[in-house]
Amino acid sequence: AQSVTQPDIHITVSEGASLELRCNYSYGATPYLFWYVQSPGQGLQLLLKYFSGDTLVQGIKGFEAEFKRSQSSFNLRKPSVHWSDAAEYFCAVDGGSTLGRLYFGRGTQLTVWP
Amino acid sequence: EPEVTQTPSHQVTQMGQEVILRCVPISNHLYFYWYRQILGQKVEFLVSFYNNEISEKSEIFDDQFSVERPDGSNFTLKIRSTKLEDSAMYFCASSLDTLRDEKLFFGSGTQLSVL
Repeated sequence: AQSVTQPDIHITVSEGASLELRCNYSYGATPYLFWYVQSPGQGLQLLLKYFSGDTLVQGIKGFEAEFKRSQSSFNLRKPSVHWSDAAEYFCAVDGGSTLGRLYFGRGTQLTVWP
Repeated sequence: EPEVTQTPSHQVTQMGQEVILRCVPISNHLYFYWYRQILGQKVEFLVSFYNNEISEKSEIFDDQFSVERPDGSNFTLKIRSTKLEDSAMYFCASSLDTLRDEKLFFGSGTQLSVL
């Protein structure tokens, strides 16, 4: 069965520092992987997605993620964090042949110190 | 960017009462979904809806839950007799299609508190 693990519940970084949020998935076939962000009072916003091809995926707001099949991972990275990046980040894997049923991780809350 | 709108943002109800959570999906979208997140747990799929019928539902979506698109613009989730364990953030989402490279748009959620 599909599942996603985000091992870090809460991460704190200083503004300007680099960031890596971890995500591991369990899926029998080629996964479709997503990172969403939720800022306070906002909906879940898609940051980036991986379907196939280049394993390094670029997203919005300067984020990127790398798909590593051998490690079943899809970690999210940003070279220099801004205070506005403080939010909750969710990794998700799709449920099969059609969009809509996504399996999410528990989320990682990011705090950014000035 | 277009938005999915959910109302209310926070709803408090007594155990055993019926609640209706409302969503206005993006106007040209055809597929609609409800997810929920119990505090400290994962965001979980509840149901998907297309062409006025349920496409898929999870094991969470039992007979206490129902969905409806009453007027062509709203998409509602009804919980017939709320339980304490229904307390959660409920997210509505919509998409134009279900192709795997399509995009899901989520609303900002309704926080349901059952007392």
